[in-house]
Amino acid sequence: AQKVTQAQTEISVVEKEDVTLDCVYETRDTTYYLFWYKQPPSGELVFLIRRNSFDEQNEISGRYSWNFQKSTSSFNFTITASQVVDSAVYFCALSDLGGYQKVTFGIGTKLQVIP
Amino acid sequence: DTAVSQTPKYLVTQMGNDKSIKCEQNLGHDTMYWYKQDSKKFLKIMFSYNNKELIINETVPNRFSPKSPDKAHLNLHINSLELGDSAVYFCASSQYMKTNEKLFFGSGTQLSVL
Repeated sequence: AQKVTQAQTEISVVEKEDVTLDCVYETRDTTYYLFWYKQPPSGELVFLIRRNSFDEQNEISGRYSWNFQKSTSSFNFTITASQVVDSAVYFCALSDLGGYQKVTFGIGTKLQVIP
Repeated sequence: DTAVSQTPKYLVTQMGNDKSIKCEQNLGHDTMYWYKQDSKKFLKIMFSYNNKELIINETVPNRFSPKSPDKAHLNLHINSLELGDSAVYFCASSQYMKTNEKLFFGSGTQLSVL
């Protein structure tokens, strides 16, 4: 069965600090996809990144970077030099073939960036 | 021009009432979904439709009935509302019904049952 664990429910950092949001997943499939979504205070969820299970290359997009490690079933998300606009709830999610596009979301990590 | 739009944004109603939430996407996507987000922010899929056909029904009480008149619309009707139905309901769409598809979400409907 699919499972996504985000152990950090809330994190507070001071602006310009780096912060890493953890995500650990469980799946029986060898082919699966991992996602991160951002939910700002306005409420709408926004897609950030998608990674397939065969691509373990880390990815960087501006201040955002993602570290995918199959050996530890983790897909962590790091924000460098955090800004107040990064304050949001961040969801890690998993979709595998057995799930038939039933995306399983983690509980979310609420990030507060303090000016 | 909003990609996935749902109305209303807020819905406050009494227990026992029937209400509907509407959702429309203008992205030309084949697949649409309803997700429920509870007070602890947990997101769980309720339904998915692919080209107007129901694909996923996640053990949701039959008081909840989705209807897809065409592939651009997926409405959610809820009968005999209960206190526990209070949540934020999100409509979403994806281009196809594939494992790797990213989801496009509406802005949510906050339902409060009194």
